[in-house]
Amino acid sequence: AQKVTQAQTEISVVEKEDVTLDCVYETRDTTYYLFWYKQPPSGELVFLIRRNSFDEQNEISGRYSWNFQKSTSSFNFTITASQVVDSAVYFCALSEASSGYSTLTFGKGTMLLVSP
Amino acid sequence: DAGVIQSPRHEVTEMGQEVTLRCKPISGHNSLFWYRQTMMRGLELLIYFNNNVPIDDSGMPEDRFSAKMPNASFSTLKIQPSEPRDSAVYFCASSLTGVTAKNIQYFGAGTRLSVL
Repeated sequence: AQKVTQAQTEISVVEKEDVTLDCVYETRDTTYYLFWYKQPPSGELVFLIRRNSFDEQNEISGRYSWNFQKSTSSFNFTITASQVVDSAVYFCALSEASSGYSTLTFGKGTMLLVSP
Repeated sequence: DAGVIQSPRHEVTEMGQEVTLRCKPISGHNSLFWYRQTMMRGLELLIYFNNNVPIDDSGMPEDRFSAKMPNASFSTLKIQPSEPRDSAVYFCASSLTGVTAKNIQYFGAGTRLSVL
């Protein structure tokens, strides 16, 4: 069965620090998709990125970057020069092609607190 | 364009009462998902629909929970009778089609349910 582990329950940093959120997944599928979502204090879940299992290129979007490594089954998320507005719970999720549907298995989330 | 709309945002009820949560998916999306979020269990998929048909309800915790999708633009999740342990945030999400693992799920703002 698929599984997503976010070992860091909570991370506290000071503004402008770089921070990396870890995500490790388990799957038997060769085709799968990985996602990151952000849940700010207001409570909604916001989609950040999707990556498929055949694309191991790192991706950068502004201060956000993602590092996908199939060899270690990891899909880590780095925020550069963190800001107070980055404070949120971040979830990593997995969807397997064999399921036939876009069902997501979520990790337990990492709470990021950025202090001024 | 409007996102996924959930109502009510907050619901406080007494044990034994019936609770109905509502969801309007993004127009044109064919798949709809109901999740429950608690501190202990994180985000759990309860049930999902594709083209208004329930595909998998194995995540529904008990017979007290039921979900319907009478048309493409409306779904309900009902709890009858409610119990204090049902207190959680309930999310609805929709995607273009569920018949592929790659589709992005877009979430509503959630309904925070408190059963006293």
